[in-house]
Amino acid sequence: DAKTTQPTSMDCAEGRAANLPCNHSTISGNEYVYWYRQIHSQGPQYIIHGLKNNETNEMASLIITEDRKSSTLILPHATLRDTAVYYCIVRVAANNNDMRFGAGTRLTVKP
Amino acid sequence: NAGVMQNPRHLVRRRGQEARLRCSPMKGHSHVYWYRQLPEEGLKFMVYLQKENIIDESGMPKERFSAEFPKEGPSILRIQQVVRGDSAAYFCASSPTRGQKNEQFFGPGTRLTVL
Repeated sequence: DAKTTQPTSMDCAEGRAANLPCNHSTISGNEYVYWYRQIHSQGPQYIIHGLKNNETNEMASLIITEDRKSSTLILPHATLRDTAVYYCIVRVAANNNDMRFGAGTRLTVKP
Repeated sequence: NAGVMQNPRHLVRRRGQEARLRCSPMKGHSHVYWYRQLPEEGLKFMVYLQKENIIDESGMPKERFSAEFPKEGPSILRIQQVVRGDSAAYFCASSPTRGQKNEQFFGPGTRLTVL
Protein backbone atom coordinates (compact mmCIF):
# COMPACT_ATOMS: atom_id res chain seq x y z
CA ASP A 1 0.00 0.00 0.00
CA ALA A 2 1.07 3.54 -0.67
CA LYS A 3 2.56 5.38 2.30
CA THR A 4 1.11 8.71 1.29
CA THR A 5 -2.23 10.48 1.47
CA GLN A 6 -3.30 12.99 -1.15
CA PRO A 7 -6.56 14.77 -1.92
CA THR A 8 -8.51 13.06 -4.65
CA SER A 9 -8.87 16.12 -6.83
CA MET A 10 -8.07 19.82 -7.03
CA ASP A 11 -8.83 22.66 -9.38
CA CYS A 12 -6.56 25.55 -10.23
CA ALA A 13 -7.01 28.64 -12.38
CA GLU A 14 -4.68 28.99 -15.33
CA GLY A 15 -1.72 31.20 -14.51
CA ARG A 16 -2.07 30.76 -10.77
CA ALA A 17 0.10 28.63 -8.53
CA ALA A 18 -1.04 25.08 -7.94
CA ASN A 19 -0.22 23.75 -4.48
CA LEU A 20 -0.59 20.00 -4.13
CA PRO A 21 -0.30 18.61 -0.61
CA CYS A 22 0.87 15.19 0.45
CA ASN A 23 0.91 13.57 3.88
CA HIS A 24 3.55 10.97 4.64
CA SER A 25 3.49 10.75 8.42
CA THR A 26 5.25 7.37 8.57
CA ILE A 27 8.19 8.38 6.40
CA SER A 28 11.52 6.89 7.45
CA GLY A 29 14.73 8.82 7.80
CA ASN A 30 16.24 7.40 4.63
CA GLU A 31 13.15 7.78 2.45
CA TYR A 32 12.89 10.46 -0.17
CA VAL A 33 9.73 12.16 -1.39
CA TYR A 34 9.21 11.79 -5.14
CA TRP A 35 6.60 13.44 -7.33
CA TYR A 36 5.45 12.13 -10.67
CA ARG A 37 2.56 13.11 -12.85
CA GLN A 38 0.56 11.26 -15.46
CA ILE A 39 -1.09 13.18 -18.21
CA HIS A 40 -4.07 11.35 -19.67
CA SER A 41 -3.08 7.94 -21.09
CA GLN A 42 0.64 8.71 -21.06
CA GLY A 43 3.43 7.20 -19.00
CA PRO A 44 4.23 8.87 -15.68
CA GLN A 45 6.67 11.75 -15.85
CA TYR A 46 9.22 12.51 -13.16
CA ILE A 47 8.85 15.97 -11.64
CA ILE A 48 11.07 16.36 -8.62
CA HIS A 49 12.29 14.66 -5.47
CA GLY A 50 13.81 15.65 -2.13
CA LEU A 51 14.89 14.38 1.24
CA LYS A 52 14.50 17.22 3.73
CA ASN A 53 15.56 20.43 2.04
CA ASN A 54 13.25 22.32 -0.26
CA GLU A 55 13.98 21.67 -3.91
CA THR A 56 13.31 23.61 -7.10
CA ASN A 57 13.77 22.77 -10.74
CA GLU A 58 12.42 24.02 -14.04
CA MET A 59 9.11 22.28 -13.51
CA ALA A 60 8.20 22.77 -9.88
CA SER A 61 9.19 23.41 -6.28
CA LEU A 62 8.99 20.92 -3.46
CA ILE A 63 8.45 22.13 0.09
CA ILE A 64 9.02 19.55 2.81
CA THR A 65 8.02 20.31 6.40
CA GLU A 66 10.69 20.25 9.05
CA ASP A 67 9.32 17.04 10.59
CA ARG A 68 9.11 15.56 7.06
CA LYS A 69 5.60 14.30 7.67
CA SER A 70 4.14 16.27 4.82
CA SER A 71 5.14 18.09 1.68
CA THR A 72 3.71 20.38 -0.98
CA LEU A 73 4.40 20.37 -4.69
CA ILE A 74 4.12 23.84 -6.19
CA LEU A 75 3.57 24.54 -9.87
CA PRO A 76 4.22 28.29 -9.90
CA HIS A 77 2.21 29.24 -12.97
CA ALA A 78 -0.15 26.44 -13.90
CA THR A 79 -1.09 25.99 -17.54
CA LEU A 80 -3.80 23.89 -19.14
CA ARG A 81 -1.13 21.34 -20.05
CA ASP A 82 -0.46 20.76 -16.35
CA THR A 83 -3.83 19.04 -16.04
CA ALA A 84 -2.86 15.53 -14.88
CA VAL A 85 -2.85 13.09 -12.00
CA TYR A 86 -0.03 13.91 -9.59
CA TYR A 87 1.51 11.14 -7.52
CA CYS A 88 3.45 11.64 -4.30
CA ILE A 89 5.68 8.65 -3.48
CA VAL A 90 8.07 7.96 -0.64
CA ARG A 91 10.88 5.52 -1.17
CA VAL A 92 14.45 4.79 -0.30
CA ALA A 93 16.41 6.35 -3.14
CA ALA A 94 19.15 3.75 -3.06
CA ASN A 95 16.65 0.93 -3.54
CA ASN A 96 15.61 0.55 -7.11
CA ASN A 97 12.98 -2.01 -6.34
CA ASP A 98 9.74 -0.25 -7.05
CA MET A 99 7.62 2.77 -6.52
CA ARG A 100 4.26 2.50 -4.80
CA PHE A 101 1.76 4.65 -6.63
CA GLY A 102 -1.36 5.59 -4.76
CA ALA A 103 -4.44 7.12 -6.34
CA GLY A 104 -2.79 10.53 -6.64
CA THR A 105 -4.43 13.94 -7.00
CA ARG A 106 -6.27 14.76 -10.18
CA LEU A 107 -5.38 18.39 -10.89
CA THR A 108 -7.59 20.25 -13.33
CA VAL A 109 -6.30 23.58 -14.56
CA LYS A 110 -9.18 25.74 -15.75
CA PRO A 111 -9.02 28.71 -18.11
CA ASN B 1 18.76 10.21 -26.62
CA ALA B 2 15.60 8.29 -27.25
CA GLY B 3 13.36 7.66 -24.29
CA VAL B 4 11.96 4.37 -23.10
CA MET B 5 10.27 2.63 -25.99
CA GLN B 6 7.44 0.18 -25.76
CA ASN B 7 5.71 -1.79 -28.43
CA PRO B 8 3.15 -2.44 -29.47
CA ARG B 9 1.28 0.59 -28.19
CA HIS B 10 -2.01 -1.23 -28.51
CA LEU B 11 -2.53 -4.97 -28.43
CA VAL B 12 -5.77 -6.88 -28.83
CA ARG B 13 -5.95 -10.54 -27.90
CA ARG B 14 -8.72 -13.07 -27.51
CA ARG B 15 -9.08 -15.03 -24.33
CA GLY B 16 -6.58 -17.86 -24.18
CA GLN B 17 -4.03 -16.26 -26.49
CA GLU B 18 -0.58 -15.07 -25.51
CA ALA B 19 0.46 -11.45 -25.19
CA ARG B 20 4.07 -10.30 -25.56
CA LEU B 21 4.94 -6.77 -24.55
CA ARG B 22 8.33 -5.32 -25.34
CA CYS B 23 10.31 -2.60 -23.65
CA SER B 24 13.57 -1.01 -24.74
CA PRO B 25 15.12 1.00 -21.92
CA MET B 26 16.89 4.28 -22.38
CA LYS B 27 20.43 4.01 -23.63
CA GLY B 28 22.78 3.25 -20.79
CA HIS B 29 20.04 2.08 -18.46
CA SER B 30 20.41 -1.41 -17.04
CA HIS B 31 17.38 -1.50 -14.75
CA VAL B 32 13.88 -2.19 -16.04
CA TYR B 33 10.56 -2.19 -14.19
CA TRP B 34 7.12 -3.23 -15.29
CA TYR B 35 3.92 -1.74 -13.89
CA ARG B 36 0.27 -2.43 -14.59
CA GLN B 37 -2.47 0.16 -14.48
CA LEU B 38 -6.11 -0.84 -14.41
CA PRO B 39 -8.68 1.76 -15.52
CA GLU B 40 -9.08 4.62 -13.05
CA GLU B 41 -6.39 3.20 -10.76
CA GLY B 42 -2.77 3.99 -9.97
CA LEU B 43 0.17 2.01 -11.27
CA LYS B 44 0.96 -1.27 -9.54
CA PHE B 45 4.50 -2.60 -9.49
CA MET B 46 4.98 -5.98 -11.11
CA VAL B 47 8.63 -6.82 -11.59
CA TYR B 48 12.13 -5.36 -11.50
CA LEU B 49 14.88 -6.73 -13.72
CA GLN B 50 18.49 -6.12 -14.51
CA LYS B 51 20.22 -7.65 -17.47
CA GLU B 52 19.61 -11.41 -17.37
CA ASN B 53 18.34 -11.27 -13.79
CA ILE B 54 15.01 -10.90 -12.08
CA ILE B 55 15.64 -8.85 -8.95
CA ASP B 56 12.14 -8.52 -7.54
CA GLU B 57 8.98 -10.14 -8.90
CA SER B 58 6.85 -9.65 -5.83
CA GLY B 59 4.16 -7.88 -7.82
CA MET B 60 3.84 -10.51 -10.54
CA PRO B 61 0.84 -12.84 -10.54
CA LYS B 62 2.02 -16.33 -9.73
CA GLU B 63 0.63 -17.89 -12.88
CA ARG B 64 0.65 -17.00 -16.58
CA PHE B 65 2.93 -13.97 -16.21
CA SER B 66 6.66 -13.96 -16.84
CA ALA B 67 9.31 -11.39 -17.61
CA GLU B 68 12.82 -11.41 -18.96
CA PHE B 69 15.55 -8.92 -19.79
CA PRO B 70 18.10 -10.73 -21.95
CA LYS B 71 21.68 -9.67 -22.47
CA GLU B 72 20.77 -8.46 -25.93
CA GLY B 73 17.45 -7.00 -26.91
CA PRO B 74 14.44 -5.58 -25.16
CA SER B 75 12.76 -6.69 -21.97
CA ILE B 76 9.71 -8.87 -22.57
CA LEU B 77 6.61 -9.18 -20.42
CA ARG B 78 4.75 -12.31 -21.42
CA ILE B 79 1.19 -13.14 -20.49
CA GLN B 80 -0.01 -16.61 -21.34
CA GLN B 81 -3.65 -17.61 -21.77
CA VAL B 82 -4.91 -14.10 -21.33
CA VAL B 83 -8.21 -13.41 -19.59
CA ARG B 84 -10.41 -10.33 -19.68
CA GLY B 85 -9.04 -9.22 -16.32
CA ASP B 86 -5.61 -8.78 -17.92
CA SER B 87 -6.94 -5.82 -19.91
CA ALA B 88 -4.92 -2.88 -18.68
CA ALA B 89 -2.15 -0.46 -19.55
CA TYR B 90 1.30 -1.93 -18.99
CA PHE B 91 4.09 0.56 -18.42
CA CYS B 92 7.79 -0.07 -18.50
CA ALA B 93 10.32 2.18 -16.80
CA SER B 94 14.09 2.22 -16.74
CA SER B 95 16.76 3.75 -14.56
CA PRO B 96 20.54 3.94 -14.88
CA THR B 97 22.11 2.66 -11.67
CA ARG B 98 21.49 2.66 -8.00
CA GLY B 99 22.11 5.99 -6.39
CA GLN B 100 20.52 9.07 -5.04
CA LYS B 101 19.15 10.47 -8.25
CA ASN B 102 17.63 7.33 -9.67
CA GLU B 103 14.31 8.51 -10.93
CA GLN B 104 12.60 6.08 -13.22
CA PHE B 105 11.83 7.08 -16.79
CA PHE B 106 8.59 5.67 -18.13
CA GLY B 107 7.61 4.55 -21.58
CA PRO B 108 4.32 5.38 -23.28
CA GLY B 109 2.75 2.09 -22.27
CA THR B 110 1.08 -0.82 -24.03
CA ARG B 111 -2.68 -0.99 -23.83
CA LEU B 112 -3.80 -4.58 -23.79
CA THR B 113 -7.40 -5.38 -24.59
CA VAL B 114 -8.63 -8.93 -24.13
CA LEU B 115 -11.79 -9.76 -25.99
